[in-house]
Amino acid sequence: AQSVTQPDIHITVSEGASLELRCNYSYGATPYLFWYVQSPGQGLQLLLKYFSGDTLVQGIKGFEAEFKRSQSSFNLRKPSVHWSDAAEYFCAVGVPNAGNMLTFGGGTRLMVKP
Amino acid sequence: SAVISQKPSRDICQRGTSLTIQCQVDSQVTMMFWYRQQPGQSLTLIATANQGSEATYESGFVIDKFPISRPNLTFSTLTVSNMSPEDSSIYLCSGTGQNTGELFFGEGSRLTVL
Repeated sequence: AQSVTQPDIHITVSEGASLELRCNYSYGATPYLFWYVQSPGQGLQLLLKYFSGDTLVQGIKGFEAEFKRSQSSFNLRKPSVHWSDAAEYFCAVGVPNAGNMLTFGGGTRLMVKP
Repeated sequence: SAVISQKPSRDICQRGTSLTIQCQVDSQVTMMFWYRQQPGQSLTLIATANQGSEATYESGFVIDKFPISRPNLTFSTLTVSNMSPEDSSIYLCSGTGQNTGELFFGEGSRLTVL
């Protein structure tokens, strides 16, 4: 069975600073990989996804993520964080041909200092 | 993209009662899922809602406690039965877009059991 680990439970960055959220997965083959964001009291919004092809994926709101097979990682990055980026971020793994039934990581709560 | 609507968005329930959450999708999705997000936790898959047949439950979840129906491609219900305070969670409906394969989420139903 697949699993996802987000090592950082909380991260605090200053507005304008760069951001990297870590995600490691365990799966026997190449999975589908996703990053979702959840703002307080809101549902989940998809930031980006990787199915195949180019390992550097661009998403919405200026986010990108890079799939590194050798490290079983799919870290999320943003060059300059805005205060509105403060939220909970979830990495998720989907099994190909399973209709995107996802396994989620524990989440990383991002706080942004002014 | 698919828009997923859930109701109720939140409710406060008494111990021992049951509550049914409705999920409506505005376009056809191939698969529908129900997730639970306990306070401060990540998302855990409860079950896959199968059209016209019994749902497929994940380990730790049973039909008697979480009966699920999906009478057509765009509608599903989840009932939380005989509730206890441990059932206080956000319950999220999700669906896989027919054309994109992307997993969309509703905004969740926040249940508080007293």
